[in-house]
Amino acid sequence: GENVEQHPSTLSVQEGDSAVIKCTYSDSASNYFPWYKQELGKGPQLIIDIRSNVGEKKDQRIAVTLNKTAKHFSLHITETQPEDSAVYFCAPDNDMRFGAGTRLTVKP
Amino acid sequence: DTAVSQTPKYLVTQMGNDKSIKCEQNLGHDTMYWYKQDSKKFLKIMFSYNNKELIINETVPNRFSPKSPDKAHLNLHINSLELGDSAVYFCASSQGGIGNQPQHFGDGTRLSIL
Repeated sequence: GENVEQHPSTLSVQEGDSAVIKCTYSDSASNYFPWYKQELGKGPQLIIDIRSNVGEKKDQRIAVTLNKTAKHFSLHITETQPEDSAVYFCAPDNDMRFGAGTRLTVKP
Repeated sequence: DTAVSQTPKYLVTQMGNDKSIKCEQNLGHDTMYWYKQDSKKFLKIMFSYNNKELIINETVPNRFSPKSPDKAHLNLHINSLELGDSAVYFCASSQGGIGNQPQHFGDGTRLSIL
């Protein structure tokens, strides 16, 4: 099975700053790399994903970058807003082995 | 329309009781899952069903028994509840087999054992 590590475990930024969360995985055969956002009292929701034939994908303030050689992918959030505060999870190949989560706090 | 719905949202019960959590998805997906999330937010897979057939059972005690009457429903029955069962349980679904499709989660059932 996949070993998944996520860093940092907590991240606090000022509103307007950027935030980056990194996910490292072990299975070189992985080819699907999603990021989920979990708000308080809700289930995780997919916010962006990337497949192994692409190195970067962007959706407004959110982007995901993939480095298959180094086996890691990262979530980038620019111009952070208080509503970005949540727990973020990576789940390479949706192998049901989620990262331990990163709690992002955006201070107004 | 809620895509993946779980009931109940909250469940408070005594140790030793038996309880069930229901899950329904209206997305037409053929794979469904149950996850357990502990107080530290670790999400751990418990079961996965594809077209009503069990495909993953991740070292879950026999007291937990999933049932899938059809591919839109995956219910979870728990016997002889223990204190350590207190957690939030999430149902999810995806199209196709496990792997390269997004999962859609319900909003969870918070189970508290007294």
